[in-house]
Amino acid sequence: TQLLEQSPQFLSIQEGENLTVYCNSSSVFSSLQWYRQEPGEGPVLLVTVVTGGEVKKLKRLTFQFGDARKDSSLHITAAQPGDTGLYLCAGARAGKSTFGDGTTLTVKP
Amino acid sequence: DTAVSQTPKYLVTQMGNDKSIKCEQNLGHDTMYWYKQDSKKFLKIMFSYNNKELIINETVPNRFSPKSPDKAHLNLHINSLELGDSAVYFCASSQDRDAITDTQYFGPGTRLTVL
Repeated sequence: TQLLEQSPQFLSIQEGENLTVYCNSSSVFSSLQWYRQEPGEGPVLLVTVVTGGEVKKLKRLTFQFGDARKDSSLHITAAQPGDTGLYLCAGARAGKSTFGDGTTLTVKP
Repeated sequence: DTAVSQTPKYLVTQMGNDKSIKCEQNLGHDTMYWYKQDSKKFLKIMFSYNNKELIINETVPNRFSPKSPDKAHLNLHINSLELGDSAVYFCASSQDRDAITDTQYFGPGTRLTVL
């Protein structure tokens, strides 16, 4: 059973388009993190959200934690080829992080 | 001055062999982890050590044995390798064991292929 489900699994868009990636669960998390992983490398943390309803912005990336702390979204405005990668959400419960199944994003120039 | 390093980067071996993967972090962190990422990119925690003490041990076959000689190193030894062990193994570290807000720093991964 996958605790954290991400959608879509794959996304291919043109440079300049906007997109949203979702991370959903039936469980409540103490916090949620988003990571980006490039081919041949390990994941790199983008953001941590802790409070239900919290919104954080990182340049063209906007992260939101659901009010009930069960889901999260990542919105990218005017995507660039450099945004290409695997996006992973990770929820923290009982002192442990559980990762979602990932969204592979390809931004074509 | 790599923060979290792993060796080797690639490992190709025959079924039934025993192999080790080494991990070192120079961040002064207290907690280290091993993750397995399968072909579908699903990242699953295997073990976590805090100050050389095992704190997380997920449902992993006992052919996998982590060893932490000091808090800067966490090695993974795998006995009797099986085809299903083929994956990318990531080492990570964090300042402490608080998964709520702590940042985990990942190594570059070790791609293990069992033939």
